[in-house]
Amino acid sequence: DGGITQSPKYLFRKEGQNVTLSCEQNLNHDAMYWYRQDPGQGLRLIYYSQIVNDFQKGDIAEGYSVSREKKESFPLTVTSAQKNPTAFYLCASSSHPRDSYEQYFGPGTRLTVT
Amino acid sequence: GDSVTQMEGPVTLSEEAFLTINCTYTATGYPSLFWYVQYPGEGLQLLLKATKADDKGSNKGFEATYRKETTSFHLEKGSVQVSDSAVYFCALRPSGAGSYQLTFGKGTKLSVIP
Repeated sequence: DGGITQSPKYLFRKEGQNVTLSCEQNLNHDAMYWYRQDPGQGLRLIYYSQIVNDFQKGDIAEGYSVSREKKESFPLTVTSAQKNPTAFYLCASSSHPRDSYEQYFGPGTRLTVT
Repeated sequence: GDSVTQMEGPVTLSEEAFLTINCTYTATGYPSLFWYVQYPGEGLQLLLKATKADDKGSNKGFEATYRKETTSFHLEKGSVQVSDSAVYFCALRPSGAGSYQLTFGKGTKLSVIP
């Protein structure tokens, strides 16, 4: 089945530790996105990538980093510099950036940092 | 900058009731407009879209009409079911070349009771 996989579903970390969230897609999509979802805040774009080896900052990139070494993978690292990392993180992809409204979302990873 | 404003929830309705979720936007030009739905514990799914003024998007009994004069894209359904319980997000994509980033509203939680 084609789709987007995010793992793990729940992740717990201690404050001060970096943590990497996985996102894999087998849809052969060029573009991938990372969003953060907080209660009552909707979705906010962290980073996006239009093509392999290229990525751009979104609205709230501070404290996060990404890589896009393979078309199917777009991991997100939440660094210790992120002040409020506890949130629900959603990864998405679209066939081409111009099709960004046709974004396919993964099931999300809920990160809790204590 | 661009923004999307949705009616605050939660919204609780009885089965077979009529649903309206208001959405207004601020953007220059003619953005594309979308409704996404998020079922509990899942990522977002595109529900419907409209790409120009007076377009009506529809899917699964839901409808929304792009009203340029009132900058609105209200979501409606004539008879809701328990299975429609979810969070609904209104979103826009700006017009213009290279404008691929989506702006989401904060979401409206709908609960339908039998």
